[in-house]
Amino acid sequence: DGGITQSPKYLFRKEGQNVTLSCEQNLNHDAMYWYRQDPGQGLRLIYYSQIVNDFQKGDIAEGYSVSREKKESFPLTVTSAQKNPTAFYLCASRTTTDSGNTIYFGEGSWLTVV
Amino acid sequence: QKEVEQDPGPLSVPEGAIVSLNCTYSNSAFQYFMWYRQYSRKGPELLMYTYSSGNKEDGRFTAQVDKSSKYISLFIRDSQPSDSATYLCAMRPISSGSARQLTFGSGTQLTVLP
Repeated sequence: DGGITQSPKYLFRKEGQNVTLSCEQNLNHDAMYWYRQDPGQGLRLIYYSQIVNDFQKGDIAEGYSVSREKKESFPLTVTSAQKNPTAFYLCASRTTTDSGNTIYFGEGSWLTVV
Repeated sequence: QKEVEQDPGPLSVPEGAIVSLNCTYSNSAFQYFMWYRQYSRKGPELLMYTYSSGNKEDGRFTAQVDKSSKYISLFIRDSQPSDSATYLCAMRPISSGSARQLTFGSGTQLTVLP
């Protein structure tokens, strides 16, 4: 089935460690996104990529890094520089070849710092 | 002031009630309006989208846009316990070219009591 796969679903990180969240899509979408969701704050954009080998900072990029070496993959690294990383992380994708109204989300990854 | 404002709730209604969920926005460039439903610990899924002003109906759901008031609504008729979720509004301008266009509300948590 077509869709977006995020892994792991749950992840625990010790302070000072970097962790990488995986996002893979088989929808042949050009644009991919990473959002962070905290209670009461909705979705905040971390990074987005419109094409392979190109990505742009969103509203809260500090302490995060991404890569887009393949169209299907857009991994997010939460670095030790991110001071409050405990959150629900959502990967999404959208086609940019039509009106592009439908953005599809993965099931999310829960990151907890212990 | 946020570009998109959404009452976070929580909102509790009895089964069978009509539910009204609302968002207001300040950016007059927004032309596409979407509603997403997010079950607990899951990624959001697109429910409906509308272009410009007017109503759009899909089963028990009706999306309404009033651009003159910068106000959008989602109505749920004959609400069911399975409708219990967080509802997010999202919107974007008509211009293409930037993949980051979507702006989300913070979400309204709805519980339908059996």
